[in-house]
Amino acid sequence: EVVMTQSPATLSVSPGERATLSCRASHSVSINFAWYQQTPGQAPRLLIYDASTRATGIPARFRGSGSGTDFTLIISSLQSEDVAVYYCQQYNNWPWTFGQGTKVEIK
Amino acid sequence: EVQLVQSGAEVKKPGESLQISCSGSEYIFANYWIGWVRQMPGKGLEWMGSIYPSDSDTRYSPSFQGQVTMSADKSISTAYLQWSALKASDTAIYYCAVGEELQFLEWSRYWGQGTLLTVSS
Repeated sequence: EVVMTQSPATLSVSPGERATLSCRASHSVSINFAWYQQTPGQAPRLLIYDASTRATGIPARFRGSGSGTDFTLIISSLQSEDVAVYYCQQYNNWPWTFGQGTKVEIK
Repeated sequence: EVQLVQSGAEVKKPGESLQISCSGSEYIFANYWIGWVRQMPGKGLEWMGSIYPSDSDTRYSPSFQGQVTMSADKSISTAYLQWSALKASDTAIYYCAVGEELQFLEWSRYWGQGTLLTVSS
């Protein structure tokens, strides 16, 4: 099973500042990789798939990059509505696996 | 747009059986893989497995193989997740999600609202 490790566990960022989230896979997953956002009481929301493709309706301030084992999600200018837990997911090797999540807070 | 509506919250006792459901609408149900994802209280997401309603082809994550049963009835556009003997550790929110048409489910833009299962004596 591919283990996904996210860092940091919690990220505090001032409004309008950049937030950088990382995810590392224990084995290469090529670009078969996604990011999700989950706010309290809600289902996950797809942000990015294929490592860097923004899902329909996702603001341009969300940018995904990386391949192989190291991936990054950048929120270029943090908004209050971006407060959430962010999960990475690989779909290169079955079973698909998620990271443990990064909680993004407003400083 | 694709809609997924899950059955309501359940409170059960250890050892009891249960089936929860996920009903799809506004798309061709049979043509889309449906996956199930578990979220234990205060924890992250876990992929349980996926089913293709067209032929009931099912893939389980090894961690969930033998612990749950996935099924689907394409005639009523509904997928099911079933337990034969619940345990307290099954307490979680369970989400269903669909993939892209005619493709194995890898990531999902469409999710159900979740079903909260509480197992307690």
